[in-house]
Amino acid sequence: QITLKESGPTLVKPTQTLTLTCTFSGFSLSTSGVGVGWIRQPPGKALEWLALIYWDDDKRYSPSLKSRLTITKDTSKNQVVLTMTNMDPVDTATYYCAHSSIGDLFAFDIWGQGTMVTVSS
Amino acid sequence: EIVLTQSPGTLSLSPGERATLSCRASQSVSSSYLAWYQQKPGQAPRLLIYGASSRATGIPDRFSGSGSGTDFTLTISRLEPEDFAVYYCQQYGSSGTFGQGTKVEIK
Repeated sequence: QITLKESGPTLVKPTQTLTLTCTFSGFSLSTSGVGVGWIRQPPGKALEWLALIYWDDDKRYSPSLKSRLTITKDTSKNQVVLTMTNMDPVDTATYYCAHSSIGDLFAFDIWGQGTMVTVSS
Repeated sequence: EIVLTQSPGTLSLSPGERATLSCRASQSVSSSYLAWYQQKPGQAPRLLIYGASSRATGIPDRFSGSGSGTDFTLTISRLEPEDFAVYYCQQYGSSGTFGQGTKVEIK
């Protein structure tokens, strides 16, 4: 059974850097064809695709946020970390991590519960 | 960056009716990388369709996807009470994007 869980601060100040961790079980990010992505959703608004990291360490980013995002993996800990620099109140959102695989053509088939991050001074 | 535009914004229907949701891309999308999700309030999204037309594990056959190029459709053949929710399309090329969503509400 695949599960994912996001963790990190619930409140960050403007200009700070956000670090979120996705801890997963039920699969390995060293297995060919597997990926983990990050998606966010501001309150009452649509989903926004942020970043995706593959088993081979290939990384993809949203073009509009690429300069602020870094995604990394720690295969031994079954974790994926997303950092976002220069946080702003408009970055207030629920942040999700999700499993992706070539079997589902890299759609996000299993999602974490999400973690709410508020940006405020 | 590929922009996905979903229509209509809101669809008001009764249980048992057919729902047709549209997703239009600003440039051609590989059908292999077009997905549909359902989201209910307070919940994470659930994958319904991947590869434009393949149902994800456990998804009822009343949900179907079709389309290619820049025009894609999600059809719910007969709405059940649990189908009233927000639906998003998503594409994945060199990076991904989501549409803005279509809310299917009870008429």
